Amino acid sequence: DAGITQSPRHKVTETGTPVTLRCHQTENHRYMYWYRQDPGHGLRLIHYSYGVKDTDKGEVSDGYSVSRSKTEDFLLTLESATSSQTSVYFCAISESLGGGYNSPLHFGNGTRLTVT
Amino acid sequence: GIQVEQSPPDLILQEGANSTLRCNFSDSVNNLQWFHQNPWGQLINLFYIPSGTKQNGRLSATTVATERYSLLYISSSQTTDSGVYFCAVVSMNYGGSQGNLIFGKGTKLSVKP
Repeated sequence: DAGITQSPRHKVTETGTPVTLRCHQTENHRYMYWYRQDPGHGLRLIHYSYGVKDTDKGEVSDGYSVSRSKTEDFLLTLESATSSQTSVYFCAISESLGGGYNSPLHFGNGTRLTVT
Repeated sequence: GIQVEQSPPDLILQEGANSTLRCNFSDSVNNLQWFHQNPWGQLINLFYIPSGTKQNGRLSATTVATERYSLLYISSSQTTDSGVYFCAVVSMNYGGSQGNLIFGKGTKLSVKP
């Protein structure tokens, strides 16, 4: 199994509070991603990183920011959580953008976030 | 941007039956992957298959890139095959995805003993 650890695994927070989710990898892969999964929507990309301090937006980036100060860590921050951000968040890693033949996309086990 | 449609949305099988899951996409792709999400939420990469056919045990996948579809075959299904199967693609024309995978909404498979 790819070495990806997400923390926390579950979190309940109140509207308006800041929240940070952490993704840690031990594979030294260049690319890291944050996805959210919601019923009826599949997985949607929030942000991704292509190197230390190199990040870019995905299709649902509003209300989220990210940081990558080390190769192994990718943080997702909700500056002021809203109920619409209640979701399951997945981190993923790959050696090439989007994953490929020798570099499949590997996912962490997810963080279930509830905003009340 | 590229559209990815999976069918059927739900599928219920008896153990031992075979099944075919379909993924249609609206643009040319240079990357297509199939994933399985088990009932505990874990996402596992099954195949990288932008074209051609691959097999892994009871699972096989075929992508006909020129006709913009991919099929995932599950033979002699087992209860452990239950979960959601996702198709994900990267459009050759990138668009807003910037080379990242765009996921379909998945097919939920339930295999009954």
